[in-house]
Amino acid sequence: NAGVTQTPKFRVLKTGQSMTLLCAQDMNHEYMYWYRQDPGMGLRLIHYSVGEGTTAKGEVPDGYNVSRLKKQNFLLGLESAAPSQTSVYFCASSRQPSYGYTFGSGTRLTVV
Amino acid sequence: DAKTTQPNSMESNEEEPVHLPCNHSTISGTDYIHWYRQLPSQGPEYVIHGLTSNVNNRMASLAIAEDRKSSTLILHRATLRDAAVYYCIRVWGGQNFVFGPGTRLSVLP
Repeated sequence: NAGVTQTPKFRVLKTGQSMTLLCAQDMNHEYMYWYRQDPGMGLRLIHYSVGEGTTAKGEVPDGYNVSRLKKQNFLLGLESAAPSQTSVYFCASSRQPSYGYTFGSGTRLTVV
Repeated sequence: DAKTTQPNSMESNEEEPVHLPCNHSTISGTDYIHWYRQLPSQGPEYVIHGLTSNVNNRMASLAIAEDRKSSTLILHRATLRDAAVYYCIRVWGGQNFVFGPGTRLSVLP
């Protein structure tokens, strides 16, 4: 049982480059989330989805786009990477938010 | 403010109980209290959650104050593997979920 899988685990981008982070879950969860975590801080919500085909903005959505074309996948895109987007990105999923979330192991992104 | 308040850090001795406090003074009746922990270089891990009553599971116990303005996560017997950052989170509106900086727990052998 894989749970929540994030790819890639590490990436270095140059300023202005684009990339897509993939999150896949095999638990048939409706809810999926993207967070970023900066050193010494808690997690901040970027975007989330309450079901296939839906997305919504979180606390820090600027500079990111997301898509949920399939229930099991939630993609996070950076169209033009900036050094301020250097962070660790975590994906999470939930059957029902009040029941708890399952997190992936993270993607460490560096923008130079 | 939807965030909770926790001490920045705590220490415990191995094999002793640990009580991690959390204040959530603005909580409303339908908000859940969740606890997660994060080990170094890993994603957060679900520990326990509750609404009004005290809760127990294989990892920990959660004691919620009668007025629900505070809660305590109880690790009954700390081990070295319990050293982590512990996050107390208020979940409101069924899906809104904000992490604070958490409490860094150190476990001394």
